[in-house]
Amino acid sequence: ETGVTQSPTHLIKTRGQQVTLRCSSQSGHNTVSWYQQALGQGPQFIFQYYREEENGRGNFPPRFSGLQFPNYSSELNVNALELDDSALYLCASTVEGGAYYGYTFGSGTRLTVV
Amino acid sequence: KNEVEQSPQNLTAQEGEFITINCSYSVGISALHWLQQHPGGGIVSLFMLSSGKKKHGRLIATINIQEKHSSLHITASHPRDSAVYICAVSDSGGSNYKLTFGKGTLLTVNP
Repeated sequence: ETGVTQSPTHLIKTRGQQVTLRCSSQSGHNTVSWYQQALGQGPQFIFQYYREEENGRGNFPPRFSGLQFPNYSSELNVNALELDDSALYLCASTVEGGAYYGYTFGSGTRLTVV
Repeated sequence: KNEVEQSPQNLTAQEGEFITINCSYSVGISALHWLQQHPGGGIVSLFMLSSGKKKHGRLIATINIQEKHSSLHITASHPRDSAVYICAVSDSGGSNYKLTFGKGTLLTVNP
């Protein structure tokens, strides 16, 4: 399977709720990163998973957590949603050594917190 | 922490014009990426380069490692080139391949 698929494409949640966003990477991509993109801003690094372990994290609180599964899919979980969590969430996957082989991005999940 | 700056923030051109978007970064990198983002969010990877120059169709990307600077050029621009162009850099070293992004350049090409 080629490409990176994210689901859902759009989501509306209420402040305080929890949300799970999903990313399905192409076969062989053992590294996945998640990014948050606020309106009018560049994406900000949330965290990265490599072979099902978190191996890098940006400046995001612990209520942002993730999982990566052996089938190259991954999840981003956000607890206790806040209004400022409204953003486009992007995942990007790559093979090991991604700095040299490039990244494939999903189309993103647009999360609105009301 | 790498700082990535892009210029200009907004660019309006007439169809056929030659476009240049600039990117500078503050510390050493393993690679620089040029990405295109259309309304609705999806990001497409245009180029990844660590030295020299790459060309694909009407797009050309160059990088000067010593000056920590890269440019994306679009020749014979077309309205379908209208999008946000984002520069991102991969940190050098280690197994953490996170990208640090610039804020993007909004390009509008008018017919």
